[in-house]
Amino acid sequence: DAGVTQSPTHLIKTRGQHVTLRCSPISGHKSVSWYQQVLGQGPQFIFQYYEKEERGRGNFPDRFSARQFPNYSSELNVNALLLGDSALYLCASSRRDGYEQYFGPGTRLTVT
Amino acid sequence: QQQVKQSPQSLIVQKGGISIINCAYENTAFDYFPWYQQFPGKGPALLIAIRPDVSEKKEGRFTISFNKSAKQFSLHIMDSQPGDSATYFCAASNSGSTLGRLYFGRGTQLTVWP
Repeated sequence: DAGVTQSPTHLIKTRGQHVTLRCSPISGHKSVSWYQQVLGQGPQFIFQYYEKEERGRGNFPDRFSARQFPNYSSELNVNALLLGDSALYLCASSRRDGYEQYFGPGTRLTVT
Repeated sequence: QQQVKQSPQSLIVQKGGISIINCAYENTAFDYFPWYQQFPGKGPALLIAIRPDVSEKKEGRFTISFNKSAKQFSLHIMDSQPGDSATYFCAASNSGSTLGRLYFGRGTQLTVWP
């Protein structure tokens, strides 16, 4: 079975631009969560979606938004990029209860 | 505020030795405690997890010890191998809140040398 997939793998953007990151969960998983991992730190929770509804939001500004589609895939959007948004963005999928979260390989975003 | 505190930040162990990583938490509502292994350039991989109704869980060379009264849990890697060299993260979540939002520790970089 395929694991969590994310695209693109790497991305370079300039300050002020907008970016869209994509995630496909493991087949049968209905919950998708997004995390930001800055170099040398643990992942920080951004959003959680279940059945296309936002179920949780971390301490991130409104420049960050996300959505989940009927096929349970998800997009993370970041507007007005700042240098500090440079990080590895991770997507995790799980069944409804969210206990076992499986991560994708991440998207490495560099903002210059 | 760091919800989960992890130590040590780095750890060097000889091949065949025991690696021990410790974590502590404050929120007594946490009811799920996983450990993740992450290699450079990869996403975290779920290694082993425990719920507070048991004090120990073992899977192969990996063991979680859980002390509910002390609000601490630890990962033990027996017979450590060079292939275990990676960054390990402990985490905690509360099923009663956001369907298991994970709070991660800062990570421990483990190096196992031959």
